[in-house]
Amino acid sequence: EPEVTQTPSHQVTQMGQEVILRCVPISNHLYFYWYRQILGQKVEFLVSFYNNEISEKSEIFDDQFSVERPDGSNFTLKIRSTKLEDSAMYFCASARLSGGPLDTQYFGPGTRLTVL
Amino acid sequence: AQTVTQSQPEMSVQEAETVTLSCTYDTSENNYYLFWYKQPPSRQMILVIRQEAYKQQNATENRFSVNFQKAAKSFSLKISDSQLGDTAMYFCAFMDRNTPLVFGKGTRLSVIA
Repeated sequence: EPEVTQTPSHQVTQMGQEVILRCVPISNHLYFYWYRQILGQKVEFLVSFYNNEISEKSEIFDDQFSVERPDGSNFTLKIRSTKLEDSAMYFCASARLSGGPLDTQYFGPGTRLTVL
Repeated sequence: AQTVTQSQPEMSVQEAETVTLSCTYDTSENNYYLFWYKQPPSRQMILVIRQEAYKQQNATENRFSVNFQKAAKSFSLKISDSQLGDTAMYFCAFMDRNTPLVFGKGTRLSVIA
């Protein structure tokens, strides 16, 4: 069964450094998402991406964040200058959306980001 | 804004018994989806079950079923014949055409042998 994959599984970085988190969505899916979960808290929406552009973003997704689909398979989240409070689990998700604006999102295994 | 409330931070159940996790939500939309996701200690988010709001019939997936009460805006998850592998955080989530997935704070379920 196809699944969303994410790399790396764990990323440790120094405060102020740039990080890129990578995701490979399910191949026939059209809508892509990033979510964040700070340890012990609920999962929060960051951004959605469709047709090569951001379709929606939350207030968390400020100028430090960017997303890109550099080729036909990868979907990346870049944090330009990491802060301590960026330490969290980052989940990528994708949805098929062939049947309309609502569809089930399938999550990757997550990347644990630790900012020191 | 749409909100999802899970009022039970922690629950426990004996192996082979049945447990029900509660979820309520708030929306003015008529067309939306509801989901239960499971997050085991590995922290991966796994879809357990989903319910389309326009469907009156409650969704079921093997040992997992929901009690969807649209008027009450309630969406509870029933796990029958609980197994040790069901131990996890369970998140209720809501989505409509204008709102990306909104999650509740989760219920930590422990299945005891």
